[in-house]
Amino acid sequence: AQSVTQPDIHITVSEGASLELRCNYSYGATPYLFWYVQSPGQGLQLLLKYFSGDTLVQGIKGFEAEFKRSQSSFNLRKPSVHWSDAAEYFCAAAGNQFYFGTGTSLTVIP
Amino acid sequence: EPEVTQTPSHQVTQMGQEVILRCVPISNHLYFYWYRQILGQKVEFLVSFYNNEISEKSEIFDDQFSVERPDGSNFTLKIRSTKLEDSAMYFCASSPNRGSHYEQYFGPGTRLTVT
Repeated sequence: AQSVTQPDIHITVSEGASLELRCNYSYGATPYLFWYVQSPGQGLQLLLKYFSGDTLVQGIKGFEAEFKRSQSSFNLRKPSVHWSDAAEYFCAAAGNQFYFGTGTSLTVIP
Repeated sequence: EPEVTQTPSHQVTQMGQEVILRCVPISNHLYFYWYRQILGQKVEFLVSFYNNEISEKSEIFDDQFSVERPDGSNFTLKIRSTKLEDSAMYFCASSPNRGSHYEQYFGPGTRLTVT
């Protein structure tokens, strides 16, 4: 069955520290992969997407993600976290439908 | 920048009542979607809609649910007889074309509370 797994329910980092949010997918073929961010009371905003080609993709707000086929992973990274990055982050894989992970809640402490 | 809008932001209804959730997709988009997110759970696909008909639906989208594009701008989700377990955040999304390589643009959601 197709699925997306985000192993970390909640992560806390200090402002200025680096961040990595994990995402693993289970799919018959390489799916299209996305990361969305959801701030409280807001909709889902696309951070970045991977379709093919370069396995390191750059997104908005200084985020990047690396696709690793051998690990079925698409982890999101940011070298230096800002307090405004506190939000819920969702990884998604798309074939005929979008499959979302359960999300990772990010807390940023000063 | 164009965006998807949804109304109301919060809807409270009694069990057994009908509710209609409204969405205004981005104007030049052709594909429309509804998702729901039960509190603390993942975002789940409900239905996709194109050319005035449902193109795909999940097993969640049973006979209690229906979708409609009543005019050139609105896209609605109707729940005929709400149940407690319908309480969730409902997201509308739209995309310019079919195909998963076109990302979907999401609205802010409608929180539905069934009492």
